[in-house]
Amino acid sequence: KAGVTQTPRYLIKTRGQQVTLSCSPISGHRSVSWYQQTPGQGLQFLFEYFSETQRNKGNFPGRFSGRQFSNSRSEMNVSTLELGDSALYLCASSLGRPRETQYFGPGTRLLVL
Amino acid sequence: TQLLEQSPQFLSIQEGENLTVYCNSSSVFSSLQWYRQEPGEGPVLLVTVVTGGEVKKLKRLTFQFGDARKDSSLHITAAQPGDTGLYLCAGAAGSARQLTFGSGTQLTVLP
Repeated sequence: KAGVTQTPRYLIKTRGQQVTLSCSPISGHRSVSWYQQTPGQGLQFLFEYFSETQRNKGNFPGRFSGRQFSNSRSEMNVSTLELGDSALYLCASSLGRPRETQYFGPGTRLLVL
Repeated sequence: TQLLEQSPQFLSIQEGENLTVYCNSSSVFSSLQWYRQEPGEGPVLLVTVVTGGEVKKLKRLTFQFGDARKDSSLHITAAQPGDTGLYLCAGAAGSARQLTFGSGTQLTVLP
């Protein structure tokens, strides 16, 4: 069974631009969660989507948004990029039940110049 | 806000030594997970503990969940260079699917 895939793996943008990241979950998984990982703040939860609906949201500004499609693939968008948005963005998929294992993708490394 | 504190932040040891990593919180978690992350990759799940006082063993790795479900430890016996990586603990509260991650322990095992 294929794992979680994320595209692109690396991305360089400039301040003020916007970016869209993509995540394809493991086949059959309906929940996709997004996390931001930085050296200073560690791994922080952004949001979770389940059956095309945002089910949970972390403490990030509205510039961070996401969506999920009917095939469970998910996209995350960041508008008006800031230097501090440079990070590794990870998505994780699961069947969506409580206390269930989340499987992480390799991440997208975003650098904002 | 639930916080998980991990210690130590960095650990560099020689092959064959033993080590323990700690994960502590003032909050109660319904489950706690340990992950290992290698450069350029996402975290990979090592174990999930759900019962207070639970001990799980995975080859040379021993995981323990505190009786009050507020803390956990990871003990590695006879560490090997292949154990090198970032170890992360993550807790889930109640029925929440959202994980709160610790700050991580960067382990380097020197040959």
